[in-house]
Amino acid sequence: EVQLVQSGAEVKKPGESLKISCKGSGYTFTNYWIGWVRQMPGKGLEWMGIIYPGDSDTKYSPSFQGQVSMSADKSISTAYLQWSSLKASDTAMYYCARRSGGILVEWGQGTLVTVSS
Amino acid sequence: QSALTQPASVSGSPGQSITISCTGASSDVGGYNHVSWYQQHPGKAPKLMIYDVSNRPSGVSTRFSGSKSGNTASLTISGLQAEDEADYYCSSYTSSSTLFGGGTKLTVL
Repeated sequence: EVQLVQSGAEVKKPGESLKISCKGSGYTFTNYWIGWVRQMPGKGLEWMGIIYPGDSDTKYSPSFQGQVSMSADKSISTAYLQWSSLKASDTAMYYCARRSGGILVEWGQGTLVTVSS
Repeated sequence: QSALTQPASVSGSPGQSITISCTGASSDVGGYNHVSWYQQHPGKAPKLMIYDVSNRPSGVSTRFSGSKSGNTASLTISGLQAEDEADYYCSSYTSSSTLFGGGTKLTVL
C-alpha cells in the first residue's frame, strides 16, 4: 500500500525558518515525482511545485518560486518543503502527493503550519 | 496561469444527479487528457475520484463519472448520497505545471 506520511503541525513566529517532511512508503520513492499543494484556511488547493527524488529535479510554480525550497533525501524516502523566513501569510495546510502520469494519486495527511507573533 | 473555473457551489437532493463543470483553456484542459477530480471532506486530505478525464481509481463508486468537451471538463455524480457532500476540485496537468480549479462545494439537501 502506497503511503505518504507528513510531519506534525507546526507553530512558528514570523521570520523563523521551517522544514516539513513527507515520507513515502509502499513504492519506489525515486521513480515518482512528489508534488506540494497549499491550502490556506477556508480556501482552495494551490499547486506549489514538484520534485523528482531520483535526481532532485524541481519545478516550482511561479507563485512560489523563491518563496519555498523543495528537497529530497532518497536514502530515507523523504521529501521536504522548507522556508527560510516565514510570514503570517504562510499559515496554511500543506499537502504532499505522489504524482503518476500527471495525476496526484495518493496524498499525505497534511501538515498545518501556523505563523503568528 | 490562471486557475481553472468551477462553480462555487452546487446542490442536489438524495438520489438526484449533479454535474460540476471545470473550464480551462486549450493549453490545459483542452490540450491534455490528464484531467482529474478530487473530493475533499472537511478536515481531510483530497482524494482522487476521477483521472485522465473519465477513469475511476479502484474503490471509487461507479456513481462518479467524468467527461470532457473542448476546454471544459465535467464531473457527474449520480444517485446522490449524503456522504457525497464535500468540496470537489478539478485539476489539469500541463507541460510546465498543474492547475487546480477553485473548488465546488456540493450540498446534499
